[in-house]
Amino acid sequence: EVQLVESGGGLVQPGGSLRLSCAASEFTFSSYWMSWVRQAPGKGLEWVANIKQDGSEKYYVDSVKGRFTISRDNAKNSLYLQMNSLRAEDTAVYYCAMRVTTIEWWGQGTLVTVSS
Amino acid sequence: QPVLTQSSSASASLGSSVKLTCTLSSGHSSYIIAWHQQQPGKAPRYLMKLEGSGSYNKGSGVPDRFSGSSSGADRYLTISNLQSEDEADYYCETWDSKVFGGGTKLTVL
Repeated sequence: EVQLVESGGGLVQPGGSLRLSCAASEFTFSSYWMSWVRQAPGKGLEWVANIKQDGSEKYYVDSVKGRFTISRDNAKNSLYLQMNSLRAEDTAVYYCAMRVTTIEWWGQGTLVTVSS
Repeated sequence: QPVLTQSSSASASLGSSVKLTCTLSSGHSSYIIAWHQQQPGKAPRYLMKLEGSGSYNKGSGVPDRFSGSSSGADRYLTISNLQSEDEADYYCETWDSKVFGGGTKLTVL
């Protein structure tokens, strides 16, 4: 069964940086688009970013453009999200997800809290 | 970019059936969507992919009680023989994963 395990969350001050990682296993990672999706406390799901199989195409929600960078290392079966200039409104659980047209597998999530 | 509209809440009795709706905005009625379930305190879980034709493909281990259907711009998730564990938030998502509906909170009475 597909496994997606996120790590790297934590407490960070406004303006700070954090790098999330997602370790993928039990599927051919390099064959799939991948996504990051977040969920603020008590709120719904919000798409953050998508990346193509070879990393050649990347898409972001407007609110994170210029601050977040999605990347992947197919040799390490890993997905990343570099988050810079963090704001209080970025506080959320961040989920890694595997896509086949739509999302078909979710990780368990990692909590990012932006607060002074 | 399409907009997905869901009712904020729904309720039904244990053992009964419920039909949740996700409506695609004008000009996007042919879009494939997915349904996801999020039980309290847990990560979302993929339930199924649903086409405009009404054809659907369920995820691994999703019970037969869950089914999908379509009519025009509306995409439906029907849960039969409701169980207590079906009490959850249900989200729809567009095919490119860039848009989610606001979610429907299902209460099992």
